[in-house]
Amino acid sequence: GAGVSQTPSNKVTEKGKYVELRCDPISGHTALYWYRQSLGQGPEFLIYFQGTGAADDSGLPNDRFFAVRPEGSVSTLKIQRTERGDSAVYLCASSFRTRGLAPYNEQFFGPGTRLTVL
Amino acid sequence: AQTVTQSQPEMSVQEAETVTLSCTYDTSENNYYLFWYKQPPSRQMILVIRQEAYKQQNATENRFSVNFQKAAKSFSLKISDSQLGDTAMYFCAFMKHLPSGTYKYIFGTGTRLKVLA
Repeated sequence: GAGVSQTPSNKVTEKGKYVELRCDPISGHTALYWYRQSLGQGPEFLIYFQGTGAADDSGLPNDRFFAVRPEGSVSTLKIQRTERGDSAVYLCASSFRTRGLAPYNEQFFGPGTRLTVL
Repeated sequence: AQTVTQSQPEMSVQEAETVTLSCTYDTSENNYYLFWYKQPPSRQMILVIRQEAYKQQNATENRFSVNFQKAAKSFSLKISDSQLGDTAMYFCAFMKHLPSGTYKYIFGTGTRLKVLA
């Protein structure tokens, strides 16, 4: 596709429920990143995939959060037992290459999924 | 630890005027990249301008330019001839090297810019 796409655009759920957020990266981009943007804040790194494997998940806040990228393209961020504090915009980004400095590492962002936990 | 600080939560500017958004950062790395991203209400993060730390020349992109002061760790964005479409949140970002071999962005808290007609 022309850019990074994310679905759904908005998700409203109840506390304690399970949610899945999807990201379709730019075709050919091997690296995929998830960020979380809380209200009034800049995006914060959650996890990075190189191909199918999670190469760095140091930003995941706790074990309720995990993400997969089984075929090295589409990724799904999964949140179990959602809490009100999980409400945020979840951004996905992809980049062409993972080693060496930009511009090849420049990350291209999707429009995000706004998650609201009631 | 790398940090990025944007000290101006909100700013406004008259259409056609010039405005400067400030950003400071802290790092022990010598080679790195800095970015300014624009985030309109649509939430899409749009790259405005990029600066390589090893280049002394300030980056420019049409009406957008930066004042990069490496020793002071300062990276301000100047928007000339402001347009109504420039109204958005602006984030300064530092590209941080990860042990895994790739990079992640460290973002500031953003500056909300409103261009007034």
